[in-house]
Amino acid sequence: GAVVSQHPSRVICKSGTSVKIECRSLDFQATTMFWYRQFPKQSLMLMATSNEGSKATYEQGVEKDKFLINHASLTLSTLTVTSAHPEDSSFYICSARDFGLAGDEQFFGPGTRLTVL
Amino acid sequence: TQLLEQSPQFLSIQEGENLTVYCNSSSVFSSLQWYRQEPGEGPVLLVTVVTGGEVKKLKRLTFQFGDARKDSSLHITAAQPGDTGLYLCAGGREAGNKLTFGGGTRVLVKP
Repeated sequence: GAVVSQHPSRVICKSGTSVKIECRSLDFQATTMFWYRQFPKQSLMLMATSNEGSKATYEQGVEKDKFLINHASLTLSTLTVTSAHPEDSSFYICSARDFGLAGDEQFFGPGTRLTVL
Repeated sequence: TQLLEQSPQFLSIQEGENLTVYCNSSSVFSSLQWYRQEPGEGPVLLVTVVTGGEVKKLKRLTFQFGDARKDSSLHITAAQPGDTGLYLCAGGREAGNKLTFGGGTRVLVKP
């Protein structure tokens, strides 16, 4: 149980294009999903909290118009990197909380490696 | 400023040796999770501790939550190359809220 998938696993795009990353909870419902960014050999940096049916809550310093988040169902959240630039290249990871569990555990997806040329 | 300080940042040991990773904070957490992450993959949950003084064992891994719920440790006995990875601690303050992650400890176990 508690499986989270991400798609795509790897994407290479040209500067100026937009990239959409999907995060799905496969065997549980997730009212809350989280989007993280991770640079090489560093810990996870929370970008935003995605709540089903409402607007995402962004962390300080994260541009909400740059990183669009949509959480349209209890099993799917999407992150769109708009007008991507080389500095947006990173490892993006989502996580989800199981609606049926009372604790703080988050279950992570396998990550998406974004490379912007 | 990192609310959760992990130490050491990097640890290289020989197979069969023991190791301990520490996670410290001046803040109280309602729960603390330990994750292991391998290169190019997402973190995998190892354990959650919620009670002050709690000790949990997972095969060769022993996790402890401090009495005041401000710190935690992960001890690995007889480390194996398969234990290599980035170990992350993460604290939660309210059920369902976002987690605060430590800076991570990179562990390398040489055969």
